[in-house]
Amino acid sequence: ETGVTQTPRHLVMGMTNKKSLKCEQHLGHNAMYWYKQSAKKPLELMFVYNFKEQTENNSVPSRFSPECPNSSHLFLHLHTLQPEDSALYLCASSQDPSAGGETQYFGPGTRLLVL
Amino acid sequence: QKEVEQDPGPLSVPEGAIVSLNCTYSNSAFQYFMWYRQYSRKGPELLMYTYSSGNKEDGRFTAQVDKSSKYISLFIRDSQPSDSATYLCAMSAAGGGADGLTFGKGTHLIIQP
Repeated sequence: ETGVTQTPRHLVMGMTNKKSLKCEQHLGHNAMYWYKQSAKKPLELMFVYNFKEQTENNSVPSRFSPECPNSSHLFLHLHTLQPEDSALYLCASSQDPSAGGETQYFGPGTRLLVL
Repeated sequence: QKEVEQDPGPLSVPEGAIVSLNCTYSNSAFQYFMWYRQYSRKGPELLMYTYSSGNKEDGRFTAQVDKSSKYISLFIRDSQPSDSATYLCAMSAAGGGADGLTFGKGTHLIIQP
């Protein structure tokens, strides 16, 4: 596989469920990102990992818990979500986030529906 | 005031027309400007990348940045039905890659055959 992959592509969960989203990048990049895309709203940056270290937590509720075991893999653990958390969750990666204007490459996203 | 303003559309034009997509922004620290294209049920893909003010051309696509007006544009010439997608502008400050990108809402473009 090439580029940035995400699984699952679609997920339906109840508010009491626990699930995890997975992202894998095959580009040899050092930084990985989670974004949330809701209808009629801009992409919202959630988390940034640079060389496996979390460098940004953009005021995200604790019901979202990221994990980055290595520079190629990124997880987003979900628990006790709310219906307003239903959205497209996008993973992205980039080579060197300390450089200005880094190009980010996106995965296809996981479409999440919370019932 | 939102950081990046972008008309969500939809914008519907006939095939072959010239399309103009625009974003305005308020943060004067932004130096890097990008346009992403997002097809339905897909992630965004980078289309154009521009640093600071000026024009950049790539095939049928031209990106313009006017930092004095805090205004960026994407022009699509000879538009095709395959150009139908959502176009997202994105920008970042110098050395600001670690903060991620700041996006507009995206403009939904429809090219009518």
